[in-house]
Formats: sequence, C-alpha cells, structure tokens
Amino acid sequence: DAMVIQNPRYQVTQFGKPVTLSCSQTLNHNVMYWYQQKSSQAPKLLFHYYDKDFNNEADTPDNFQSRRPNTSFCFLDIRSPGLGDAAMYLCATSRDRAPDTQYFGPGTRLTVL
Amino acid sequence: AQSVSQHNHHVILSEAASLELGCNYSYGGTVNLFWYVQYPGQHLQLLLKYFSGDPLVKGIKGFEAEFIKSKFSFNLRKPSVQWSDTAEYFCAVNAAGGYNKLIFGAGTRLAVHP
Repeated sequence: DAMVIQNPRYQVTQFGKPVTLSCSQTLNHNVMYWYQQKSSQAPKLLFHYYDKDFNNEADTPDNFQSRRPNTSFCFLDIRSPGLGDAAMYLCATSRDRAPDTQYFGPGTRLTVL
Repeated sequence: AQSVSQHNHHVILSEAASLELGCNYSYGGTVNLFWYVQYPGQHLQLLLKYFSGDPLVKGIKGFEAEFIKSKFSFNLRKPSVQWSDTAEYFCAVNAAGGYNKLIFGAGTRLAVHP
C-alpha cells in the first residue's frame, strides 16, 4: 500500500541535543509537509517542500530546519531542542500545492528531557 | 488570520445515538473545508471535504457535513454512531486559490460506549 512512513515513532532527546526526524512516502507526491502538534492543540504547519522548493511558515522558529534530498524523503531537524518543543510531529504529503487532500504519517512523538 | 474552532473537546455517546460535531472557521474569503479522523493508534485520514457545489457533503463510513456559509460553519453529522467511531475528529480549512496550508481545529475526542 502506498503510504507515508515516519521514523522513529517515539524519540527521546536531551535539552539542547540536535535531533532529526524522518519521513518517507511511496505516493510519489510533489509536496511534503511538517506539522507540530502539542498536547490537546491543533496541528500547526511548520513548513513544506514543493519538489525542492522549501517554504517556511512565518512563525516557525529558526531552531527548526528541514531537508528533502529526494522525492521520497524529508527530514525535520531541530537544532537545539527546548522543553517547549516536546510534541507530536506529523509528516504529510499531497500531490500538488493546490488545495487538496493531504495524506498523513503516524507521527513521531518527541520527548525532551 | 484564519482560525478554526471546534466547540466540543470531548463527546461521549452510546451506540446508535446521533452525532453532531461543531466546527466554525474565521476567514474572509472562500475556503475549502475538511474533516479528518484519527482512530486510536492510527494516522490522520480524510473523512470528507468540501470545495464547491452541494453544501451537503457525504463522506466515508456514513458521515456527512453541511457547509453553511452564512454561519461560517461545517458541522459533522452521523445519524447513528458505532463503537468503531471512537476517534479524534479534526476540522480543517484552507484558503481556496491559495497553497495547501491546512488550518486545523484543536480536535474533538469522541468515545462511543457499546
């Protein structure tokens, strides 16, 4: 089945220690998104890639970066995690940038000690 | 700025009861509207969407939603819930003609008791 895969499902890191979350997709979609979802809150878009074109949301902290080395993979890098970065991180894809269905991965729950 | 409000954070129903989950959005232009569902331990998946046309939209598993433009609402309904409908439900919008940025509500946790 075509899908969006996130690894790991659970990640524990220490305060200030860089961490990378991974997302891959077999849908061959052009767009990949990263959302942050804190406890009992709405998922919030951090940034997205349209092909190799990176698009950052205006209020995304500089501490968050992303890489997309090819169509299938996208990474979320948190350079210096703080306690406030503990959250569920959701990866999603869509065929194109125009409004349409997004397909989500299961998420990675990040704990910062 | 766009925002989405879901009025009920937790809903508890018995099987066969009717369901209505409220969703209101704030945006001055034309929007596309979505309901996503997250079953326990699973990923978010699309339940239904509205882009244009008939404001009554039918989705999977017997769900439907009605877009009422004058009320900025897109409420989700199901006439008779089942235990398997236990999940978290998210309403989301994006600006028609814009890029595919979803603005989500905070979600409603539905528990259906047998």
